Amino acid sequence: DAGVIQSPRHEVTEMGQEVTLRCKPISGHDYLFWYRQTMMRGLELLIYFNNNVPIDDSGMPEDRFSAKMPNASFSTLKIQPSEPRDSAVYFCASSSWRADSNQPQHFGDGTRLSIL
Amino acid sequence: AQSVTQLGSHVSVSEGALVLLRCNYSSSVPPYLFWYVQYPNQGLQLLLKYTSAATLVKGINGFEAEFKKSETSFHLTKPSAHMSDAAEYFCAVSRMDSNYQLIWGAGTKLIIKP
Repeated sequence: DAGVIQSPRHEVTEMGQEVTLRCKPISGHDYLFWYRQTMMRGLELLIYFNNNVPIDDSGMPEDRFSAKMPNASFSTLKIQPSEPRDSAVYFCASSSWRADSNQPQHFGDGTRLSIL
Repeated sequence: AQSVTQLGSHVSVSEGALVLLRCNYSSSVPPYLFWYVQYPNQGLQLLLKYTSAATLVKGINGFEAEFKKSETSFHLTKPSAHMSDAAEYFCAVSRMDSNYQLIWGAGTKLIIKP
């Protein structure tokens, strides 16, 4: 089975530009998570969706960040305008929920974002 | 608030030696517990997960972890380290109010000396 697919793998852009990160979750998974990983702050949950609906976006750093999930097989994380401090690795993860067991999150390979 | 503590941001062992990575959690009830591994330039990969069926959990690549409720610990071990085990390891605990969300430890970078 295909895992979580993220694109692009690397993105280098100049400050002020719009950045769009993409994620295709595992088919059948009803939860999708966006994380950011930096040396200073470690792994941070930005937002997560259940059945394509955003449930908790309290981790989104500011209004420059937005995320959408138009259907069960696609999600985007957008930064507009981008700033150097947004440089990080962004991960998408998906999982399925069952009341009687602990379903793990499955991660994509991430997008390494560099804002110059 | 729930928390996960991984003791030691870096752990260095010789090839062939025992690997012990520590994880303690705060929770009033036994949570769901996970260990993930992250190799350079890759995403996080599930190493093992705790189910209530057994306190000793076996994972991939020869790793195992023991759940100790009295110590609120879930330490990761491997009897004999291999060079390919060099990576960062993360312990994660499910949130009590929503077990599909995870609380993450800060990670421990495992260094293997030849």
